[in-house]
Amino acid sequence: GNSVTQMEGPVTLSEEAFLTINCTYTATGYPSLFWYVQYPGEGLQLLLKATKADDKGSNKGFEATYRKETTSFHLEKGSVQVSDSAVYFCALRNSGGSNYKLTFGKGTLLTVNP
Amino acid sequence: KAGVTQTPRYLIKTRGQQVTLSCSPISGHRSVSWYQQTPGQGLQFLFEYFSETQRNKGNFPGRFSGRQFSNSRSEMNVSTLELGDSALYLCASSLGGTGSEKLFFGSGTQLSVL
Repeated sequence: GNSVTQMEGPVTLSEEAFLTINCTYTATGYPSLFWYVQYPGEGLQLLLKATKADDKGSNKGFEATYRKETTSFHLEKGSVQVSDSAVYFCALRNSGGSNYKLTFGKGTLLTVNP
Repeated sequence: KAGVTQTPRYLIKTRGQQVTLSCSPISGHRSVSWYQQTPGQGLQFLFEYFSETQRNKGNFPGRFSGRQFSNSRSEMNVSTLELGDSALYLCASSLGGTGSEKLFFGSGTQLSVL
């Protein structure tokens, strides 16, 4: 079955530091890949997505590239801000058939200090 | 456009009771899915409804059930509550057409079972 493995947290960085959160996946076929973010007390918000190999998703300075050869979708940001403090989830979803459930990683808590 | 609305925001129940949670999707969205979020297990898929039919189901006992109405609003029910059912229950809606489309999440219902 499908599975997502992302780096364990928590991750603590200073403002303007470089961020990488690793994510690898196991799936049949060609899934779509997502990064979701959860701020305290809120639901999940889509941060970015990629739907095929070599696609790069980007939003708010965050980027992730769909690497089929390494089954990875690592999240990066060049300069983090205090407002980026949140929990980040890597997820995948089958693109074909009718089973569209999202399979999530365990989440990575990011804390950015001023 | 209104977002995904979940009610109630918080619930406290005792073991053995049953509970019903409600989710109103974004207007025009026909797919509603439910996820359970706990610190230990992370985010786990419960079920998905599309046009009043359950399209997919996760690995949860039969105590967990749901339904979707003709206006796409959805409810999930948990009977004979157990302590381990304490969790944040998240609802997500989407148009329902493909696996690559964006899911919109509500803020969740925090269920505490005493």
